[in-house]
Amino acid sequence: KAGVTQTPRYLIKTRGQQVTLSCSPISGHRSVSWYQQTPGQGLQFLFEYFSETQRNKGNFPGRFSGRQFSNSRSEMNVSTLELGDSALYLCASSLSNKNEKLFFGSGTQLSVL
Amino acid sequence: DAKTTQPPSMDCAEGRAANLPCNHSTISGNEYVYWYRQIHSQGPQYIIHGLKNNETNEMASLIITEDRKSSTLILPHATLRDTAVYYCIAGIQGAQKLVFGQGTRLTINP
Repeated sequence: KAGVTQTPRYLIKTRGQQVTLSCSPISGHRSVSWYQQTPGQGLQFLFEYFSETQRNKGNFPGRFSGRQFSNSRSEMNVSTLELGDSALYLCASSLSNKNEKLFFGSGTQLSVL
Repeated sequence: DAKTTQPPSMDCAEGRAANLPCNHSTISGNEYVYWYRQIHSQGPQYIIHGLKNNETNEMASLIITEDRKSSTLILPHATLRDTAVYYCIAGIQGAQKLVFGQGTRLTINP
């Protein structure tokens, strides 16, 4: 069974641009959550989706948004990029919204210049 | 979510047991203890979780004190591939929003 797939693996953008990251969960998994990892702040929760509905949101500005499609694939979007948005963005999937185990992808490394 | 405290770094010899401590003195009755690890350039990997009983799986054992204020993750026979950052997290069952701390950087030495 394929793991969580995130694309692209690396991305370089400039300030003010917007970016869309994609996440394909493990087949059969319906819950997807997103995390941001930076050297200074560590791993921080962005948001969680289950059955195309956002169930939980972390403490990030409105420039960060996401969505989930009917096939459970998810995208996150960051608009008006800032230098501080440079980070590893990780997606995790689980079987349901009541499942203990999160399975993480390898992430998308975003660099904002 | 309860805050957890872990030592920033630890070393262990290959083949020996690695014992990683975690303090979670403010853990509430419905919060589980989860352990994840992150090997360089990869996403975190689930290891084990428990509520109050000791747990064991193919990767590790989790020992939780009776008062639930602390726990220890045990890797019975550490290998070089176990070198990683280990995160101890307290959270309610099924929580997708995990609060990661800084973790313990475990280095397995040959």
